[in-house]
Amino acid sequence: DQQVKQNSPSLSVQEGRISILNCDYTNSMFDYFLWYKKYPAEGPTFLISISSIKDKNEDGRFTVFLNKSAKHLSLHIVPSQPGDSAVYFCAARNTGNQFYFGTGTSLTVIP
Amino acid sequence: NAGVMQNPRHLVRRRGQEARLRCSPMKGHSHVYWYRQLPEEGLKFMVYLQKENIIDESGMPKERFSAEFPKEGPSILRIQQVVRGDSAAYFCASSPEGGGGNYGYTFGSGTRLTVV
Repeated sequence: DQQVKQNSPSLSVQEGRISILNCDYTNSMFDYFLWYKKYPAEGPTFLISISSIKDKNEDGRFTVFLNKSAKHLSLHIVPSQPGDSAVYFCAARNTGNQFYFGTGTSLTVIP
Repeated sequence: NAGVMQNPRHLVRRRGQEARLRCSPMKGHSHVYWYRQLPEEGLKFMVYLQKENIIDESGMPKERFSAEFPKEGPSILRIQQVVRGDSAAYFCASSPEGGGGNYGYTFGSGTRLTVV
């Protein structure tokens, strides 16, 4: 039962353009959402978060949007840089304080 | 200020052997979470522990898998009688409070288990 879904396993973007990564969830009780970035052979690292009471959070080149009615989350990276190439996981927290992760989207930023 | 330490980084076991994966949480963190990443899949929640307590093990397979976080020492994920399907990357994460606060969890680099 995949409660958090990332339907695009991969994405390629030209350097300098916008990268948009999408995430859908099914549980309306999720109260907190995060994006993690993962390089090969490393653990995921925190990137940006958003509370369910907000619809947007911005941190430098990274912006996360939350559409609660659609149960949809997206991460915008602009401008994209080659160092952004990694696997991005979205995660959602339930009332039991565990995070459920999506399957990840592998982003490649082409120089 | 070391982060979450997992060892070993790579572990090879023959079918039927036991695998023990260790995780030392970040200093000051008392909440530990184990996740498994199978090839071509995302991170699957396995178990959430605090010192000497299992808070939620709803993601743990019912047989052969167990986890503990003793009062002293690292958290241990134990897999008995391993099978080829157990081959995966196992990630441990920790947080200072339940749910990770505003920054989620801090993850270790993972243990890659290969069952031959």
